[in-house]
Amino acid sequence: DQQVKQNSPSLSVQEGRISILNCDYTNSMFDYFLWYKKYPAEGPTFLISISSIKDKNEDGRFTVFLNKSAKHLSLHIVPSQPGDSAVYFCAASGLGQNFVFGPGTRLSVLP
Amino acid sequence: DARVTQTPRHKVTEMGQEVTMRCQPILGHNTVFWYRQTMMQGLELLAYFRNRAPLDDSGMPKDRFSAEMPDATLATLKIQPSEPRDSAVYFCASGLGTGNGNQPQHFGDGTRLSIL
Repeated sequence: DQQVKQNSPSLSVQEGRISILNCDYTNSMFDYFLWYKKYPAEGPTFLISISSIKDKNEDGRFTVFLNKSAKHLSLHIVPSQPGDSAVYFCAASGLGQNFVFGPGTRLSVLP
Repeated sequence: DARVTQTPRHKVTEMGQEVTMRCQPILGHNTVFWYRQTMMQGLELLAYFRNRAPLDDSGMPKDRFSAEMPDATLATLKIQPSEPRDSAVYFCASGLGTGNGNQPQHFGDGTRLSIL
């Protein structure tokens, strides 16, 4: 059973618009969440994180929102740029636990 | 900019052959992870080391896979004998592990393995 789910395998967005990538988790012990971005033929790179004591973390065009009661987090990219086209992985961890990764969402930003 | 280095980047071999993948973690990082990426499963954790000691290899098929850290600058993942179902991209990641699970991992660019 997947503990971290990304139910949209792919997403297409027009350049300049908002991209919203979603992630759901089942383990209530998770208290730290990250988003990674992955380009083809490269390893995932860390993008942004959020601790469970917060409900929002912002870094430039990227904002992560956490809804603990719903066990849901989302990554907002505003405005979206063609260079944002990549696979985005959500990951979660808790005390003494390794990160569990979701299956990824492929974002395509169309010019 | 410090990076995790993985070699080889690509490997094609016939089933039954031994495969060795190598990883040089970022200097100063004390945790090393091996992941496998497949189309169906995303990123699966195979093995995890802290301070060179194996802490978790429950994700690894023990009969054919083995992971070691001969020293702090080298981690290896071996498959013997290899099978076509082992074809995947294998990633190594390193980080600073304090046990509280809140440090991002830094990934290498992976080894793309094809077993014919």
